[in-house]
Amino acid sequence: ETGVTQSPTHLIKTRGQQVTLRCSSQSGHNTVSWYQQALGQGPQFIFQYYREEENGRGNFPPRFSGLQFPNYSSELNVNALELDDSALYLCASSRRDRRDEQFFGPGTRLTVL
Amino acid sequence: GQQVMQIPQYQHVQEGEDFTTYCNSSTTLSNIQWYKQRPGGHPVFLIQLVKSGEVKKQKRLTFQFGEAKKNSSLHITATQTTDVGTYFCAGLGTGRRALTFGSGTRLQVQP
Repeated sequence: ETGVTQSPTHLIKTRGQQVTLRCSSQSGHNTVSWYQQALGQGPQFIFQYYREEENGRGNFPPRFSGLQFPNYSSELNVNALELDDSALYLCASSRRDRRDEQFFGPGTRLTVL
Repeated sequence: GQQVMQIPQYQHVQEGEDFTTYCNSSTTLSNIQWYKQRPGGHPVFLIQLVKSGEVKKQKRLTFQFGEAKKNSSLHITATQTTDVGTYFCAGLGTGRRALTFGSGTRLQVQP
């Protein structure tokens, strides 16, 4: 059990809608990273949050945005959903002072119709 | 940008056979990590390699980091059905904060 939780487990949206995904990080972890994993592919880095600020971003458009809260939990928001946004969205928590293992949550499966 | 290539994409072995997956980065890495993802599951951390030429073992799994810190391998000796899943390498580039994952190697083990 990693201690990282995500909600919801599954979500179905239509093109153009907006979605918010949530993540609670493992106890003692102050850094949260979000990844998008398309079917049959490896996770792709979206962005990372540390101390409530974005701390690095991958090659994703601005309609992907996030928040980190004082308790280190995090949200991923996606506006103007596109069909290609259908994927498993993974949240991973880690300790900033230890650039080693990331603990992944179970993910949210997003389907955009 | 940094790219991490992984081969093969898929391997089907008989139980008891060995298995190896290879990972190559387009740039020098600070460290490389390996994850296993079971079907329908999420990536689970296996190990991290940091030093050039490093070799680490976990029971039947042997991990290597190349001398140039641009490639790595995972070798499983005498596979078991519990080894089924997709194995990902993930590299952390020098000065970067984010892991770059390979596309994974899906291992199927036939009893």
